[in-house]
Amino acid sequence: AQSVTQLDSHVSVSEGTPVLLRCNYSSSYSPSLFWYVQHPNKGLQLLLKYTSAATLVKGINGFEAEFKKSETSFHLTKPSAHMSDAAEYFCVVSGDYGGATNKLIFGTGTLLAVQP
Amino acid sequence: GAGVSQSPRYKVAKRGQDVALRCDPISGHVSLFWYQQALGQGPEFLTYFQNEAQLDKSGLPSDRFFAERPEGSVSTLKIQRTQQEDSAVYLCASSSSRGLFFGPGTRLTVL
Repeated sequence: AQSVTQLDSHVSVSEGTPVLLRCNYSSSYSPSLFWYVQHPNKGLQLLLKYTSAATLVKGINGFEAEFKKSETSFHLTKPSAHMSDAAEYFCVVSGDYGGATNKLIFGTGTLLAVQP
Repeated sequence: GAGVSQSPRYKVAKRGQDVALRCDPISGHVSLFWYQQALGQGPEFLTYFQNEAQLDKSGLPSDRFFAERPEGSVSTLKIQRTQQEDSAVYLCASSSSRGLFFGPGTRLTVL
């Protein structure tokens, strides 16, 4: 069965400094992995997805993530945080069916705070 | 509209009441999912439709939960005899080859 573990429930950074949100996955086969962002009172928005093409995936708003099979990790990074990045971030793995459009399994989320 | 819409956005129910939550997916999207997000948690899968067929309902927590999509577009999630533990945000999502798109959710509070 697939699962993801987000290692930090809260991360606080200063504006303009790098962001690192950590995620480890467990999967019995090559997984599809995603990062979603959830702003207060707004719907979940897809940041980026990995589907076994390039291991470094670029997403929206300057975010990127690197798939490392040897470490079973898919950490999310951004070189310079902006105040508007403050939100909850979810690492997600696709479920039993595989593929980008099927059942998703969410991590417990990391709340990112950005200090001025 | 351009995105997935859900109604109502907020629902307060007394314990024991029945509720119905509506999802309007993006036009033309074949696949539709319902997720439940409890406070402070990530969303958890409830059920999945492909057109009008409910292909997976393994995430429904009890037989009080029922979902339907009779014409393959709008879907309704019904919860009978609501309990306090049903309080959560219920998210609907529809998908295409471009990915999965979530609605804003319905926040259900059971008193």
